[in-house]
Amino acid sequence: EAGVAQSPRYKIIEKRQSVAFWCNPISGHATLYWYQQILGQGPKLLIQFQNNGVVDDSQLPKDRFSAERLKGVDSTLKIQPAKLEDSAVYLCASSLWQGRSNYGYTFGSGTRLTVV
Amino acid sequence: AQTVTQSQPEMSVQEAETVTLSCTYDTSESDYYLFWYKQPPSRQMILVIRQEAYKQQNATENRFSVNFQKAAKSFSLKISDSQLGDAAMYFCAYRSNTGNQFYFGTGTSLTVIP
Repeated sequence: EAGVAQSPRYKIIEKRQSVAFWCNPISGHATLYWYQQILGQGPKLLIQFQNNGVVDDSQLPKDRFSAERLKGVDSTLKIQPAKLEDSAVYLCASSLWQGRSNYGYTFGSGTRLTVV
Repeated sequence: AQTVTQSQPEMSVQEAETVTLSCTYDTSESDYYLFWYKQPPSRQMILVIRQEAYKQQNATENRFSVNFQKAAKSFSLKISDSQLGDAAMYFCAYRSNTGNQFYFGTGTSLTVIP
């Protein structure tokens, strides 16, 4: 079974530029998550999708971050304009909900963003 | 919100020896899951072991076992017969029974000394 695919693996941009990350979840996983992992910290949830609808984006800095999941499969996370404090690893994860239970929660390898 | 605390930023262990990583958490819920994830330099979060809060028996996966103390809200990971490939960041995580997101601790960097 293929895992969660993410690209690019690394990205370096200057502050105030824009950047986009791409995620392809495991086939059949309706739920997709974006996490931000700042150096020295654990991952923190930014946004959760169920199919192509947003379930939770309470921790997404909406003035500069946006995300979409077209057709309920692939997703993109965008930052515009980037700030120095956005330097982090951006992890995508996906899972399968059956009833009230969450199965197969799988993380991708992330994109390491450096803002200079 | 739930909080997860890992008080050991770094740990080291001799190859073939045993090491225990500590984790405490805070929650008002009675039904939840606890996890230990390993994050090697490849950055992918790899599930090591999972514990359901309603189960009194401690989870075990080969060389990995946990000591789950629900009343004390403690969830430690024991790695036996440590191997060089165990070197990584280890994250303790909480997820409610019907929850969507993980709450992670700040991680423990484990070094395995040959």
